[in-house]
Amino acid sequence: DAMVIQNPRYQVTQFGKPVTLSCSQTLNHNVMYWYQQKSSQAPKLLFHYYDKDFNNEADTPDNFQSRRPNTSFCFLDIRSPGLGDAAMYLCATSRDRRTGEYSNQPQHFGDGTRLSIL
Amino acid sequence: QKEVEQDPGPLSVPEGAIVSLNCTYSNSAFQYFMWYRQYSRKGPELLMYTYSSGNKEDGRFTAQVDKSSKYISLFIRDSQPSDSATYLCAMSFGFGNEKLTFGTGTRLTIIP
Repeated sequence: DAMVIQNPRYQVTQFGKPVTLSCSQTLNHNVMYWYQQKSSQAPKLLFHYYDKDFNNEADTPDNFQSRRPNTSFCFLDIRSPGLGDAAMYLCATSRDRRTGEYSNQPQHFGDGTRLSIL
Repeated sequence: QKEVEQDPGPLSVPEGAIVSLNCTYSNSAFQYFMWYRQYSRKGPELLMYTYSSGNKEDGRFTAQVDKSSKYISLFIRDSQPSDSATYLCAMSFGFGNEKLTFGTGTRLTIIP
């Protein structure tokens, strides 16, 4: 089945130790998103890629970076995790019709990576 | 004031009941409206999406949008214990490459 896959499902890191979360997709969607979701809160958009174009939200801390080496993969790097960065990180994808003959598709989410900071 | 308001619940109803979940919003420029279901420790799963005002039905689920009142609803008929989850409404100005604005989610429990 086509899907959005996030690895690992659970990640524990030490305060200040860099960590990388990964996302892959088989939907052939051209837009990929990273969200942060804290307990009982709505998902908060950190940034997204439209094809290779990176779009950062104004209030996303500099501590968060992202890479998209190809259409299928996207990475979230947290350079120096703090205790406040403990959360569920969600990857999502969508299709924008400007890419060609395919119709637009809404955002589909992976199951997330739950990040804990020691 | 938040852009999207959603009662966090928790909401508990007996199995077989009709469930009504709602969101209100303040920005009249929103055009696309979505409902996501999120089970514990899982990502949001898209249930339904609608464009502008009107109703959309899919099996036991019906989504309604009233743009004049800035009010959207999700109805679940013949509710099942497997419907127990958090339901998130979301909306956007466009579709495909647009930021979603979410409600905080309503936690629903269906009691067998």
